[in-house]
Amino acid sequence: SQTIHQWPATLVQPVGSPLSLECTVEGTSNPNLYWYRQAAGRGLQLLFYSVGIGQISSEVPQNLSASRPQDRQFILSSKKLLLSDSGFYLCAWSAGGPGSPLHFGNGTRLTVT
Amino acid sequence: TQLLEQSPQFLSIQEGENLTVYCNSSSVFSSLQWYRQEPGEGPVLLVTVVTGGEVKKLKRLTFQFGDARKDSSLHITAAQTGDTGLYLCPAYNSGGSNYKLTFGKGTLLTVNP
Repeated sequence: SQTIHQWPATLVQPVGSPLSLECTVEGTSNPNLYWYRQAAGRGLQLLFYSVGIGQISSEVPQNLSASRPQDRQFILSSKKLLLSDSGFYLCAWSAGGPGSPLHFGNGTRLTVT
Repeated sequence: TQLLEQSPQFLSIQEGENLTVYCNSSSVFSSLQWYRQEPGEGPVLLVTVVTGGEVKKLKRLTFQFGDARKDSSLHITAAQTGDTGLYLCPAYNSGGSNYKLTFGKGTLLTVNP
């Protein structure tokens, strides 16, 4: 069966520090991968998605970036965090194709102080 | 960009009551999904609806997709405290990308004992 791992679960970082959140998927190959941010426990904002290694699509201009160095690995990064980067970050995968459901990790709670 | 509205945004009821939450858009969906998210966790898929007028049942939960595929509803019968959570109904645009789900703000349901 497929599983998705996301870490760390919580993170407190000072303004201006770098960020690296990692997500890996097991049990499937060539998944579509996604990074979402959720503010105040409400709707999800799509940040990045990837349909293949090295292919990244950015949805929202910001100081975050994403990379996919391996088929089942998705990394969210920042060189310098802002206070507004605080939130709940969720990684997800889908098998692709019309109507494919998303399978989410358990999220990372990021607090920028 | 498709706008997806969920209502009500907040709902607090007593155990045993029935409830309905709604998901609406002016655009046509190719498919729509319902997820439930518990605090501190990622959303979990409940159901996918694809055909206009489709009705799906999952124990005490009944999901309906509008005939025109622009809206959906979730009815819960005899709510239990375990139904508490954020209900999300993201959708894929008809004729749009198969990669990107559009999320609304969700309905935050609290079922009190």
